[in-house]
Amino acid sequence: AQKITQTQPGMFVQEKEAVTLDCTYDTSDQSYGLFWYKQPSSGEMIFLIYQGSYDEQNATEGRYSLNFQKARKSANLVISASQLGDSAMYFCAMREGLAGGTSYGKLTFGQGTILTVHP
Amino acid sequence: GAVVSQHPSRVICKSGTSVKIECRSLDFQATTMFWYRQFPKQSLMLMATSNEGSKATYEQGVEKDKFLINHASLTLSTLTVTSAHPEDSSFYICSASGGGSMVFAYTFGSGTRLTVV
Repeated sequence: AQKITQTQPGMFVQEKEAVTLDCTYDTSDQSYGLFWYKQPSSGEMIFLIYQGSYDEQNATEGRYSLNFQKARKSANLVISASQLGDSAMYFCAMREGLAGGTSYGKLTFGQGTILTVHP
Repeated sequence: GAVVSQHPSRVICKSGTSVKIECRSLDFQATTMFWYRQFPKQSLMLMATSNEGSKATYEQGVEKDKFLINHASLTLSTLTVTSAHPEDSSFYICSASGGGSMVFAYTFGSGTRLTVV
């Protein structure tokens, strides 16, 4: 079974509008972390935002916010005031298990969503 | 912030030759490094996890004799694609983890586009 599911292969948004990218996850762990990354055509992975399973507040980073609904196991990314430079592929990822020590466990990625921002 | 350097960014090699890709953490000690493979417009597929000083753990279906991973120091991991074939053409990207703030928990290199001709 897929651990991370992104059901939107492609999304379109008008410049300056907000857009929500969906992500659902599946885990039996109590402690886990959810990440969103942006991958432009150059291929680099740009970290956007992180949400820990015990965090009570939804994470926010500038124009990015994470709509974390734990009971529904969803962690949607909201991008406000879209810009042309936001056009890229976006990945949701999850780290399962306890974090600690000097390293963390592996990340599992969703299928990705290609976001296109229109002028 | 944490920086990971990956080289080369692009490489073209002949079928049957080997290619080495380097991943260096520049300003932190990476106790764990992850190697991913990505086909166009697809997700990142984890190939292996390497911990400094020990053998890499490969994901199911990944040929360990074909994709040799070495993590000899806390700042360097290498992936060698041995006897490369056209089907090995792909985007390979590493990620280094050294603990600390979750924001920097996984720092990615810029990736290597491998083309086997």
